Amino acid sequence: LAKTTQPISMDSYEGQEVNITCSHNNIATNDYITWYQQFPSQGPRFIIQGYKTKVTNEVASLFIPADRKSSTLSLPRVSLSDTAVYYCLGREVYSGGGADGLTFGKGTHLIIQP
Amino acid sequence: NAGVTQTPKFQVLKTGQSMTLQCAQDMNHNSMYWYRQDPGMGLRLIYYSASEGTTDKGEVPNGYNVSRLNKREFSLRLESAAPSQTSVYFCASNEIAGVGVKGTQYFGPGTRLLVL
Repeated sequence: LAKTTQPISMDSYEGQEVNITCSHNNIATNDYITWYQQFPSQGPRFIIQGYKTKVTNEVASLFIPADRKSSTLSLPRVSLSDTAVYYCLGREVYSGGGADGLTFGKGTHLIIQP
Repeated sequence: NAGVTQTPKFQVLKTGQSMTLQCAQDMNHNSMYWYRQDPGMGLRLIYYSASEGTTDKGEVPNGYNVSRLNKREFSLRLESAAPSQTSVYFCASNEIAGVGVKGTQYFGPGTRLLVL
């Protein structure tokens, strides 16, 4: 599974767009890029997943360039409730050989201020 | 649907005591997982169960045992608790739709364990 590197912390303000970039230089062909969000005292929650180019859902957008060595999670118009830890993971496509436990790093602690 | 539920929410143990953490999911998922999260760290996989009747070790299995009781339930047992096992424990489940298909893991609310 790809080893990922992301900033330890970021600050922003309500109403701003926030972009969190993750580096994954050794990403494998079978790896998807997946982002999870974790609030204090809660389990992680899936946000978005992609393989290449751009993916958008109701929560966020994910941009993955052609070389797939990095990805950017974009949160539009953040609010105070977006304060959380965001994890970027390299996720291998399930091959049927066993379980697919996730490999979490320390994540990015995003703090949104009024 | 309740999703993934865990009991207890919080537990204090003395060194050497044993306990079982319970996890259940009502989403008919095949795969279930136990993770631990230490302060300021990401989650680390302890054990997993790809399907009912099977279990296997993850990254940090020492000091733990698991039981996949049925498709819904996956328990984690500490036979002789140690202070190093003080952590937050998360259970998760995953719908594996098939080979080559990515799945999303759903996490429970966690069990906070303090070993004195």
